[in-house]
Amino acid sequence: QVQLVESGGGVVQPGRSLRLSCAASGFTFSSHTIHWVRQAPGKGLEWVAVISNDGSNKYYADSVKGRFTISRDNSKNTLYLQMDSLRLEDTAVYSCARGVSTTWYSAFEFWGQGTMVTVSS
Amino acid sequence: EFVLTQSPDTLSLSPGERATLSCRASQSVSSNYLAWYQQKAGQAPRLLIYAASRRATGIPDRFSGSGSGTDFTLSISRLEPEDFAVYYCQQYGNSPWTFGQGTKVEIK
Repeated sequence: QVQLVESGGGVVQPGRSLRLSCAASGFTFSSHTIHWVRQAPGKGLEWVAVISNDGSNKYYADSVKGRFTISRDNSKNTLYLQMDSLRLEDTAVYSCARGVSTTWYSAFEFWGQGTMVTVSS
Repeated sequence: EFVLTQSPDTLSLSPGERATLSCRASQSVSSNYLAWYQQKAGQAPRLLIYAASRRATGIPDRFSGSGSGTDFTLSISRLEPEDFAVYYCQQYGNSPWTFGQGTKVEIK
């Protein structure tokens, strides 16, 4: 069965960095576009970033552009999110998500449980 | 940028009643790439509907989606106790992908 398991969250001071990981299993990872989505405490869902199956195309929300970098290692079936210059407003649960199909534009059928990132001084 | 506005913010209904949730887009959703998700507290979102009206795998037929262009609806024909949750719409036909603010369906 499809599994997505995030890790790497924690408490970090403003301006510092953190790298999240998403370990995938149960499907051909290298065939799928994968997304990061976040949810601040008590708030709604916010899309963060996307990467194509081969890593050649990436796209970011304006709120994280220039600070966050999405990447993947298909040999390890793992997705990453490098988060630099963290701000208080980046505090959220970060989840990875995979589409219904392998296409770039696809609804998010499979989600991980998320990893909590808290930015606090 | 796409803005999705859901209404109402909260819907208070009893089990067995019909629920109708609305999602309005600030511009036409490309190819009707509109999805609906259900989220319960402490859980990951669950895909219910994609392409505006296609039920995802394993979703009961009491859930249905309709609409096109800028106006979309999620209907739940008869609310079961497990259906009380927050529902989000999402457009995935244009970058950036965007979600509505959510509608909470609560027990009356």
